[in-house]
Amino acid sequence: DIQMTQSPSTLSASVGDRVTITCRASQSISNWLAWYQQKPGKAPNLLMYKASRLNRGVPSTFSGSGSGTEFTLTISSLHPDDSATYYCQQYNRYPVTFGQGTKVEIK
Amino acid sequence: QTHLVQSEGEVKKPGASVKVSCKASGYSFTSHGVNWVRQAPGEGLEWMGWNNGNNDIRSYAQKFQGRISVTTETSTSTVYMELRRLTSDDTAIYYCAVDTGDHGAFDIWGQGTVVTVSS
Repeated sequence: DIQMTQSPSTLSASVGDRVTITCRASQSISNWLAWYQQKPGKAPNLLMYKASRLNRGVPSTFSGSGSGTEFTLTISSLHPDDSATYYCQQYNRYPVTFGQGTKVEIK
Repeated sequence: QTHLVQSEGEVKKPGASVKVSCKASGYSFTSHGVNWVRQAPGEGLEWMGWNNGNNDIRSYAQKFQGRISVTTETSTSTVYMELRRLTSDDTAIYYCAVDTGDHGAFDIWGQGTVVTVSS
């Protein structure tokens, strides 16, 4: 199975800050990577697919980059509503696997 | 609008089976497979399996092989996930999820079904 490792596990930042989350795959997944946002008690919500493509309705403050084994999700200006846990997911091959999550807190 | 509506939560005893349903609407049901993902309390997301919507192609995580079945009922646009021989480790929220954008990622999710396994 392809292992996905996210860093950091938690981060605390202020409103307006630029925030970056990293995701590393244990082997190359090309650009078959997605990012999800999950708020407490809710299902995950797709933010990005194919590493850098913004899903419909997602604010342009979110962006993604990377290919192969290294990927990043960036929030260019943190908003209070961005407080959530973020997961990366590879879908290059089965089984689909997720990172362990990054909890973003607002200072 | 595209929706996935799941069945209500269940409480099961160890060793029992659970069958969770996921009813789809707003898209061509047989054109998009349905995935099942679970989340144990306070934990991350774990992919369990997938059915292509026509019951002729399935893929299951090795961890659940022999215990899981994902089937579809095209007449009602409903997908079922059955998990057998439950243990307390199966206590989790179970989600169905679909890629309706044909990009591979899961853009539509059900609301989740809480399954509690307790004696």
